[in-house]
Amino acid sequence: RKEVEQDPGPFNVPEGATVAFNCTYSNSASQSFFWYRQDCRKEPKLLMSVYSSGNEDGRFTAQLNRASQYISLLIRDSKLSDSATYLCVVNNLSGGYNKLIFGAGTRLAVHP
Amino acid sequence: GAGVSQSPSNKVTEKGKDVELRCDPISGHTALYWYRQSLGQGLEFLIYFQGNSAPDKSGLPSDRFSAERTGGSVSTLTIQRTQQEDSAVYLCASSSQGQGYGYTFGSGTRLTVV
Repeated sequence: RKEVEQDPGPFNVPEGATVAFNCTYSNSASQSFFWYRQDCRKEPKLLMSVYSSGNEDGRFTAQLNRASQYISLLIRDSKLSDSATYLCVVNNLSGGYNKLIFGAGTRLAVHP
Repeated sequence: GAGVSQSPSNKVTEKGKDVELRCDPISGHTALYWYRQSLGQGLEFLIYFQGNSAPDKSGLPSDRFSAERTGGSVSTLTIQRTQQEDSAVYLCASSSQGQGYGYTFGSGTRLTVV
């Protein structure tokens, strides 16, 4: 089983739609959670951190359910520029090291 | 520097040759990471440097891969006797702490082994 699992999509939505992505992680010891965005042939860029209480940044809302080991990202009022791959990211503490493990990503395509 | 700098941006090499990929992290960032991403795939962790601690090499796929970080700054990833399956984008990232903070990535080196 992969440490971080995401639906690869693609999610094809019209402008203005609300879309939600989900992610599950297997390591119950994980403490840090993020969503990254990756445009085609570009490097990943941090979109937002995910906090236990849930957090919002403009049109983007992230939620964390530790009991179910589940993370979500909600995008409201989708824009064409939101088209990208969204990576769910979880930290891994093993062997005294702390590193980030990336999901394979969920593709979003917003169309006019 | 202002961002994470990687060189070369593109590298085409013949199977069996050695290659060196360079990463210059953000000034002051103590943690440096190497990942690779094959076409259409997710990011695969390779190696992690944190300050003066021994690196986490658990992600290196074979002994043909090695990396070093000199003076706590610039890092070099070396692939010996390259194989076609080594073709990928090699991404370097740095962060100010090794405590699971978000990383800043460089734009990567696209390696093609022919």
